[in-house]
Amino acid sequence: KQEVTQIPAALSVPEGENLVLNCSFTDSAIYNLQWFRQDPGKGLTSLLLIQSSQREQTSGRLNASLDKSSGRSTLYIAASQPGDSATYLCAVNNAGNMLTFGGGTRLMVKP
Amino acid sequence: KAGVTQTPRYLIKTRGQQVTLSCSPISGHRSVSWYQQTPGQGLQFLFEYFSETQRNKGNFPGRFSGRQFSNSRSEMNVSTLELGDSALYLCASSFRGGGSANTGELFFGEGSRLTVL
Repeated sequence: KQEVTQIPAALSVPEGENLVLNCSFTDSAIYNLQWFRQDPGKGLTSLLLIQSSQREQTSGRLNASLDKSSGRSTLYIAASQPGDSATYLCAVNNAGNMLTFGGGTRLMVKP
Repeated sequence: KAGVTQTPRYLIKTRGQQVTLSCSPISGHRSVSWYQQTPGQGLQFLFEYFSETQRNKGNFPGRFSGRQFSNSRSEMNVSTLELGDSALYLCASSFRGGGSANTGELFFGEGSRLTVL
């Protein structure tokens, strides 16, 4: 059974800092891995999708990496802004669109 | 291009009642999956429908059911509601077909927040 863990559970940083969010998973036989953002009371916004054959994906100030052999993914946020404050969720797709989610990292970026 | 639409956004029910939630996927997407989000359990997979057939099911009791229509719209139903069913129910759609459009990326709606009293 796939298990996904996100560390840290919460993070508070001053504006402008570069930061790294971590995601680990137990079963490396994944189809893809997706990073999401969730604002309070809202749905999930897809940030980056990494296929199992890829090592990283970039979108603007976001960069996500994937190391299947070690069961790890990281989300790098450059030059953080207060608008980045949200919960970030990592989700692993083993098959059939059955995502297994981590518990999330709650990020607060202070002005 | 419209996103995933879920209705209703908020609803309040009492124990023992039943509820039906609706999800309209992104145009062209034929896969719809449902997730339950609670503070204690986080996000958990309920089931996935593709071409009107349930393809996968999570570990939830039979009170939770769903269906998909020929236009890919999906509904989920929860019968005999319990207090523990209070949650945000999220629907996601994906292309899940052949070719380069099949990236496996899921797109979520805003959710339906169910409160059971």
